Amino acid sequence: DVKVTQSSRYLVKRTGEKVFLECVQDMDHENMFWYRQDPGLGLRLIYFSYDVKMKEKGDIPEGYSVSREKKERFSLILESASTNQTSMYLCASSLGQGAEQPQHFGDGTRLSIL
Amino acid sequence: GQQLNQSPQSMFIQEGEDVSMNCTSSSIFNTWLWYKQDPGEGPVLLIALYKAGELTSNGRLTAQFGITRKDSFLNISASIPSDVGIYFCAGSNYNTNAGKSTFGDGTTLTVKP
Repeated sequence: DVKVTQSSRYLVKRTGEKVFLECVQDMDHENMFWYRQDPGLGLRLIYFSYDVKMKEKGDIPEGYSVSREKKERFSLILESASTNQTSMYLCASSLGQGAEQPQHFGDGTRLSIL
Repeated sequence: GQQLNQSPQSMFIQEGEDVSMNCTSSSIFNTWLWYKQDPGEGPVLLIALYKAGELTSNGRLTAQFGITRKDSFLNISASIPSDVGIYFCAGSNYNTNAGKSTFGDGTTLTVKP
């Protein structure tokens, strides 16, 4: 089974802090994704990556950056956290490019910015 | 970007009832996926559809890829309490958006015993 592991289930940070959310997958997937989930808004794509050191903006990249130094790890960075970034963050991975492979999700990190 | 309309937004049903939900898009997709998210967990794939007109079942779940390639339906028969959760549709088109899916806003299902 594919395992996508997010480093924290719950995280509380203060406004202005730099926040790192980590995600690791164990199935050698090329594609990795970061979403945020808010009530009534579904899953909104923040950033995604097709390969090591490669990143592309999703629908709501403002206030976020990402890092993919190794194939199995995709990090989401909040440069200066703000209260409107309080949300559930979901990481996902999928196999290949061009083939329509399903995404495998982690269990999420519930982030609160005070 | 591409947008999906998923309906209904929420459903409250009695145990044993059948459930139907659907997604429509203004754009053509060549893959439709249905996911379920249990409380406190990430979404998990239920059914994948790769061909227009395709009808696929997974236990009590049945999903269809619309013939126009712009819609998909998910039906759950004889619901049980563990069906509670959020159901998401997702569409993708590798000709225009390789590897990336567009997600609906989700249907929250509550099942009363």
